Amino acid sequence: AQSVTQLGSHVSVSEGALVLLRCNYSSSVPPYLFWYVQYPNQGLQLLLKYTSAATLVKGINGFEAEFKKSETSFHLTKPSAHMSDAAEYFCAVSVGGTSYGKLTFGQGTILTVHP
Amino acid sequence: EPEVTQTPSHQVTQMGQEVILRCVPISNHLYFYWYRQILGQKVEFLVSFYNNEISEKSEIFDDQFSVERPDGSNFTLKIRSTKLEDSAMYFCASSEQGSHGYTFGSGTRLTVV
Repeated sequence: AQSVTQLGSHVSVSEGALVLLRCNYSSSVPPYLFWYVQYPNQGLQLLLKYTSAATLVKGINGFEAEFKKSETSFHLTKPSAHMSDAAEYFCAVSVGGTSYGKLTFGQGTILTVHP
Repeated sequence: EPEVTQTPSHQVTQMGQEVILRCVPISNHLYFYWYRQILGQKVEFLVSFYNNEISEKSEIFDDQFSVERPDGSNFTLKIRSTKLEDSAMYFCASSEQGSHGYTFGSGTRLTVV
């Protein structure tokens, strides 16, 4: 079975600082990996996804993530935080086979951006 | 951009009552899902649906839950006899093929009192 661990339930950065949100996964087969963002009282919006093509994936709003198989990681980064980035971020994994399409989410990381 | 539409956005129900949460997936999508998020917790998979039948369900999805695609456009989640612990945000999602082209709805907040 697959699982996701997000290190740090809360991350706080200054506006303009680097954003780094950590995600490690466990999967017995090559995974698909995703980052979603959730703004207050809203649904889940896809930021980016890794589907076995390029290991460095660029997403919306200036975010990117790098798939590192040796470290079983898929950390999310953004060079310069903006106030509008404040939200909760979820890493998720999907595998094929009988669990085709099912997403397994991490616990989420709340990002706070202060002036 | 195509959207997954969920109604209602918020529903309050008394314990023991039946509720039906409604979703309109994206029209050319073939795979449908329900997830839930209890306040302060992570998003959890409930069930996936393909070709008019359940393809996978979690241990949460017990006999009190059922899903249906009654008319080719709607996808519903029914909870037969709600419990306090069913209070959560319920998200519907649809996809073109498995985890490709996955789109979530904005959710229905269910409050059981």
